[in-house]
Amino acid sequence: QGQLVQSGTEVKRPGASVKVSCKASGYSFTTYYTHWVRQAPGQGLDWMAIIDPNGAGITYAQTLQGRVTMTRDTSTSTVYMELSSLRSEDTAVYYCARGTWDHMDVWGKGTTVTVSS
Amino acid sequence: QSALTQPPSASGSPGQSVTISCTGTSSDVGGYEYVSWYQQHPGKAPKLMIYEVTKRPSGVPDRFSGSKSGNTASLTVSGLQAEDEADYHCSSYAGINNLVFGGGTTLTVL
Repeated sequence: QGQLVQSGTEVKRPGASVKVSCKASGYSFTTYYTHWVRQAPGQGLDWMAIIDPNGAGITYAQTLQGRVTMTRDTSTSTVYMELSSLRSEDTAVYYCARGTWDHMDVWGKGTTVTVSS
Repeated sequence: QSALTQPPSASGSPGQSVTISCTGTSSDVGGYEYVSWYQQHPGKAPKLMIYEVTKRPSGVPDRFSGSKSGNTASLTVSGLQAEDEADYHCSSYAGINNLVFGGGTTLTVL
C-alpha cells in the first residue's frame, strides 16, 4: 500500500534554512507524484509543491517561489523539501504525500518545524 | 491562488446527515472535476475521503459522498457516527500542477 517516513522535529532561527526528508517504501517510487503540504498551528492545509513521477517537473506554490526547493534521490526513494529564509510564519507541521497531480492518497506523519529566536 | 472557502464549523447528531461546502472560483473548483476531501483527526495526518468530486477510495464508507455545482463543491456525511468528528479539508486542482486547499471545517457530532 505504501508508506512515507519523514525526518524528525526541527527548531530553527529566523533567516535559517531547513531541509526535511521523506522516504518512500512499499510502492514504486517513480510511479506517483509527491506533494509537500504544511499546516500552521490551528490552521488549514497549505499546498507547497509537487514533483512528477519522472522527477523532471516540479511546481511550487506562488507564495513560496524562490524560498522552497524540492528534490529527490531515486536511489534511496527519498524526496526532500528545503525552505530558506525562515520566518516565524513558517512554523508548521510539514507533510509529504503520495498521489496524482490532483489528490494525495498516502501521507507521511508530518515533521514539526519551529522557527524561533 | 486564494484559499477555497469552507465554513469553520458544522455539527449534527448521530444518525443525521451533514453537508460541508467548499466554494472557489471558475479557475479552480468550477473549472475542473478535481475536487478532493480529506479527514483529519487531532494530531494525525490527513486521510483522503473523496477524490475527483465523487469518487471514494477503497475502505472509505459509502456514508461519505461528494458533489459539485458550479464553483461550490460539497461533502455529505450521512448516518453520522462519533468517529466522524474531525476536521475536513477540501482541495481543488487550480491548473498547471497547482493545488489549493480550503481553510478546513471542524465537524462536531453532538
